[in-house]
Amino acid sequence: AQSVAQPEDQVNVAEGNPLTVKCTYSVSGNPYLFWYVQYPNRGLQFLLKYITGDNLVKGSYGFEAEFNKSQTSFHLKKPSALVSDSALYFCAVRDLENFNKFYFGSGTKLNVKP
Amino acid sequence: DGGITQSPKYLFRKEGQNVTLSCEQNLNHDAMYWYRQDPGQGLRLIYYSQIVNDFQKGDIAEGYSVSREKKESFPLTVTSAQKNPTAFYLCASSIGLAGVSGELFFGEGSRLTVL
Repeated sequence: AQSVAQPEDQVNVAEGNPLTVKCTYSVSGNPYLFWYVQYPNRGLQFLLKYITGDNLVKGSYGFEAEFNKSQTSFHLKKPSALVSDSALYFCAVRDLENFNKFYFGSGTKLNVKP
Repeated sequence: DGGITQSPKYLFRKEGQNVTLSCEQNLNHDAMYWYRQDPGQGLRLIYYSQIVNDFQKGDIAEGYSVSREKKESFPLTVTSAQKNPTAFYLCASSIGLAGVSGELFFGEGSRLTVL
């Protein structure tokens, strides 16, 4: 079965510093990986995805993610954090072999302090 | 603008009552999904539908029911058989198998509280 894991429940970073939110995956076949952000009492917003091609994927709001096949990781990164980046972040994998289901990690709360 | 509309945003229910959450999309997506979100547990799949008049159980379908009579609509009924229904419910859609690289689009969610 496909799955993703987010090992950190919470990440704290100072504004202006780089941030990393970690995600590891377990899939059979080619991985289709996604990052989403959620603000309180809102739906999830799509940030970026890896399907194939370059290992460094650029997305919305200055975020990027690095796909590493050997380490089965897909970490979310941003060079300079903003207070407004504080939110809940989810990593997800799409399982094309299992009725097109999406599996989500447990989420990581990002706190950016001024 | 295209998107997914969920209603109501907030809903209160007495124990023993069934409630129905609405989800409508105008993205022309084939696939639609219902997720439940509880604090610290991420998103869990309740039901999903790949095409009109067809749907499958997800990981936590007990106590829930759905229908997919129209492409645009995928309502979720939380029945009295659901023992712990208080949660945040998210509806989503995607292009489906025809667009293998497609991501999920989410509605703004419905928060159900059982009194």
